[in-house]
Amino acid sequence: DTGVSQDPRHKITKRGQNVTFRCDPISEHNRLYWYRQTLGQGPEFLTYFQNEAQLEKSRLLSDRFSAERPKGSFSTLEIQRTEQGDSAMYLCASSFSQSVYEQYFGPGTRLTVT
Amino acid sequence: AQKITQTQPGMFVQEKEAVTLDCTYDTSDQSYGLFWYKQPSSGEMIFLIYQGSYDEQNATEGRYSLNFQKARKSANLVISASQLGDSAMYFCAMRKNTGNQFYFGTGTSLTVIP
Repeated sequence: DTGVSQDPRHKITKRGQNVTFRCDPISEHNRLYWYRQTLGQGPEFLTYFQNEAQLEKSRLLSDRFSAERPKGSFSTLEIQRTEQGDSAMYLCASSFSQSVYEQYFGPGTRLTVT
Repeated sequence: AQKITQTQPGMFVQEKEAVTLDCTYDTSDQSYGLFWYKQPSSGEMIFLIYQGSYDEQNATEGRYSLNFQKARKSANLVISASQLGDSAMYFCAMRKNTGNQFYFGTGTSLTVIP
């Protein structure tokens, strides 16, 4: 197993376009998290899945953001009608529910909205 | 609301010396976990160390130790015998044991000088 993977690694899009990112967690991990990180800041929680169920969603997440995790495996994060303020690194992390400790992070997808 | 404060935006340390990175947190919960992550320039977040709020002993992992002072709500990271590869951003984070959100600080940039 090579860890958490994310695709694409970089995405440049024009304002108003929709974008979709994919995250493949470590295979035995049933918990999956999405974060957004802007320059000079720590990761900001967006949403959390346990298996296929989306159990928590940040109040800061606008309706333009939606995430899915069909079948409890990979997850997608979609941003509709992108805005320049959406430019950030989007990080995915996974963990095993029996572990209270760490999350394992992917390399992130860097989004630039022009 | 949970809040993590890292007051040192940048730190320098001589190679082979020890360095302490500060972290304070604010929560009304009694049960929580504290984490430190390293983020090199490549962008991937790497878990370093964990401390549970009920743990009486300070956590240690190799050259990393966590100086946990619960009454002061501080969880400082101590890196001993600094190496050039320790140069990175370091983030303190907290997770309530009743929830799934991780709250991150704004990070400290550590530079190890040869």
